[in-house]
Amino acid sequence: DGGITQSPKYLFRKEGQNVTLSCEQNLNHDAMYWYRQDPGQGLRLIYYSQIVNDFQKGDIAEGYSVSREKKESFPLTVTSAQKNPTAFYLCASSIVGTSGNTIYFGEGSWLTVV
Amino acid sequence: DQQVKQNSPSLSVQEGRISILNCDYTNSMFDYFLWYKKYPAEGPTFLISISSIKDKNEDGRFTVFLNKSAKHLSLHIVPSQPGDSAVYFCAASALNYGGSQGNLIFGKGTKLSVKP
Repeated sequence: DGGITQSPKYLFRKEGQNVTLSCEQNLNHDAMYWYRQDPGQGLRLIYYSQIVNDFQKGDIAEGYSVSREKKESFPLTVTSAQKNPTAFYLCASSIVGTSGNTIYFGEGSWLTVV
Repeated sequence: DQQVKQNSPSLSVQEGRISILNCDYTNSMFDYFLWYKKYPAEGPTFLISISSIKDKNEDGRFTVFLNKSAKHLSLHIVPSQPGDSAVYFCAASALNYGGSQGNLIFGKGTKLSVKP
């Protein structure tokens, strides 16, 4: 089945620790994205990548890092510099082009800092 | 400053009636609009989209209307069903401007409750 797989679904982190969220897609999409959802805040873009070995900061990139070594994979690291990391994290992907930028989401990962 | 606004945080509708979800935008460069549906603790799923060259797009029970002069779009669900109860996000992008302008900007969502 084609889709976007995020892992883990639930993750607990102690303050001061880095944690990496995995995102893999087998849709052969060029672009991948990381969003964060907080209650009442909608979806905010953290980082995005349109091609392998290239990525750009979104609206709230501070305290996060990413890599795009393979087309299928776009892991997100939440560093200890992120002041309020507890949130629902969503990975997404899309075809790069002008026919319509519909993005497709994974199931999400809950990160809780304890 | 919010570029995409969903001013109603919640909406309650009776089963079988029409649900109308509204969205306003401020950026006149936006030329592609989408609606997503989201259940709790799940990723959003794509519902329907519309390009700025159209003013209406229909897919089954879902119809999206675009009023470019008013910078307003709406999603109509007819007839509403209890399974439609979810949070609905409006999103927009300036697709034809390329680069980061093509990234989707999301509204904060409207929680729809369809009562049996």
